[in-house]
Amino acid sequence: EIVLTQSPGTLSLSPGERATLSCRASQSVSGRSLAWYQQKPGQAPRLLIYAASLRATGIPDRFSGSGSGTDFTFTISRLEPEDTAVYYCQQYGYLWTFGQGTKVEIK
Amino acid sequence: QITLKESGPTLVKPTQTLTLTCTFSGFSLTTSGVGVGWIRQPPGEALEWLALIYWDDDKRYSPSLRSRLTITKDTSKNQVVLTMTNMDPVDTATYYCAHRSGYGASGTFDYWGQGTLVTVSS
Repeated sequence: EIVLTQSPGTLSLSPGERATLSCRASQSVSGRSLAWYQQKPGQAPRLLIYAASLRATGIPDRFSGSGSGTDFTFTISRLEPEDTAVYYCQQYGYLWTFGQGTKVEIK
Repeated sequence: QITLKESGPTLVKPTQTLTLTCTFSGFSLTTSGVGVGWIRQPPGEALEWLALIYWDDDKRYSPSLRSRLTITKDTSKNQVVLTMTNMDPVDTATYYCAHRSGYGASGTFDYWGQGTLVTVSS
């Protein structure tokens, strides 16, 4: 089983700042099969990024992803108040596993 | 427009079997590449993938829960059913079903149901 470790656990930033989230895999993720989801309280997760760096339909370009192998990064270039949420990485190269999440708080 | 909705009991007793149904619309589970998966989330905790069934009836299970899970589909009713045996209080969670994309964002869960909270308690 591929274990995903996300850091930091919580990120507290001001509107307009840049948020950088990390996701590290216990073994190489094949084919850059890494996705990022946003989950707001009381809601289902929403797909933001797939194939490590491709934005899902309708996702604003302030959200971006990069990385390959075992190290992946998710960036929100300019934080907006509505970006307050928990963000999960997920690998789908072999079965599916999720990271433990990073909570992004807007000051 | 793709939609999914979970249904089933909100409360089950320890040792009982949980049966959840995912009823979907806007896609067919006979289309190549498409799948429906189940994911759960204990209160305040992270997401955990449980099982997935493909259009061709191929099935995948979480290794840690494989012995307790069964996933089936009824394409005529546009439904996917998940059963989990020997329920325990630690299985208390919101259970989601989700559409596994067969193209574009292939392999990811691009549409999700609203989730259903299942509590395990005597």
